[in-house]
Amino acid sequence: AQSVTQLDSHVSVSEGTPVLLRCNYSSSYSPSLFWYVQHPNKGLQLLLKYTSAATLVKGINGFEAEFKKSETSFHLTKPSAHMSDAAEYFCVVRGSSASKIIFGSGTRLSIRP
Amino acid sequence: DSGVTQTPKHLITATGQRVTLRCSPRSGDLSVYWYQQSLDQGLQFLIQYYNGEERAKGNILERFSAQQFPDLHSELNLSSLELGDSALYFCASSSRTSGDQETQYFGPGTRLLVL
Repeated sequence: AQSVTQLDSHVSVSEGTPVLLRCNYSSSYSPSLFWYVQHPNKGLQLLLKYTSAATLVKGINGFEAEFKKSETSFHLTKPSAHMSDAAEYFCVVRGSSASKIIFGSGTRLSIRP
Repeated sequence: DSGVTQTPKHLITATGQRVTLRCSPRSGDLSVYWYQQSLDQGLQFLIQYYNGEERAKGNILERFSAQQFPDLHSELNLSSLELGDSALYFCASSSRTSGDQETQYFGPGTRLLVL
């Protein structure tokens, strides 16, 4: 069985400071892992994905995530937050078929001026 | 803009009614996925179609059904609506059905309110 846990429902950082959004997963086989961002009243946009190639994955808008198998984690980071980063972020684990797509509960990122 | 379009943007209806949500995938994409996002259940995968055929099923209720037409657009039919069906329904498309290279592109969603 697969599962995904986003450890923080809400993260608030100051503009220009680093961002860390935490995601732990559970999977009985090597999963594909994704981070999506959802801005208010918008659809989901893919930030980055891990598919068993490089463990450090670079995405759009300066985000990156590191796959750590020993810790079953796939945390999302960004060195310097921007006001436009304020949104909801979803960590997603996917198995061998679409029926095994599991979304995390989401982390709302707020940016303080 | 992802290239995936969904209509209508908003839908208000009453319990017991039936509605149809429409999705047009990105040009060239053969796979269409439907998702439901609600406050209590979060984001859930409902169903996937690939080139007109059902490919995978998730947590889709029996009152819900979907199909993909020859022009690759898809419709999600929700019947005997209940208050708890109020949610944001997303469609996503991709060029593949599965595999490491698959990337899903999401539409803006249809917000359904059942009164």
